[in-house]
Amino acid sequence: KAGVTQTPRYLIKTRGQQVTLSCSPISGHRSVSWYQQTPGQGLQFLFEYFSETQRNKGNFPGRFSGRQFSNSRSEMNVSTLELGDSALYLCASSPPGPTYTFGSGTRLTVV
Amino acid sequence: QQQVKQSPQSLIVQKGGISIINCAYENTAFDYFPWYQQFPGKGPALLIAIRPDVSEKKEGRFTISFNKSAKQFSLHIMDSQPGDSATYFCAALLGAGANNLFFGTGTRLTVIP
Repeated sequence: KAGVTQTPRYLIKTRGQQVTLSCSPISGHRSVSWYQQTPGQGLQFLFEYFSETQRNKGNFPGRFSGRQFSNSRSEMNVSTLELGDSALYLCASSPPGPTYTFGSGTRLTVV
Repeated sequence: QQQVKQSPQSLIVQKGGISIINCAYENTAFDYFPWYQQFPGKGPALLIAIRPDVSEKKEGRFTISFNKSAKQFSLHIMDSQPGDSATYFCAALLGAGANNLFFGTGTRLTVIP
């Protein structure tokens, strides 16, 4: 069974640019969540999607957005990048129930 | 405000020893407490989890002890092995349909041969 696939694995962007990250969940999982991981703040919840609807949102500015497609694949977008957005962005999928499987993440570096 | 507090920040244990990591929480609405293991370059992987109506859960060398009245839970790794060297995160999930995990700050475990 394939795991959660995140693309790209690494990304370097310039301040002010925007970026889109992609996540393909485990087949059959309809819930997709996104987390930001940094050395200073640790793992923080960004948002969660289920059946193309955002069900839950963390405490991040509106520059962070996401969406989910009918095949459960999800994307997150960060606009007007800041240096502080440099982080590992993790996607997790889950079946009904709280067993989350994380992908390996996208390492975003903003220069 | 850290909803889940984790200690210690780092831990060094000899091979064959017991590794113990502790977490505490305040929000009594949390109803699911997982532990995750993360290796460098990888995402967190679910290790073991517990609900607050159970005081202990064991899976192989990994045991969660849960103290509901003290609002604390801990991970015990028995017979620690060098391959267990990783960062461990405790987490908590709100019930009632909420789907965001609140993570502890992580413990970097090093098991020396």
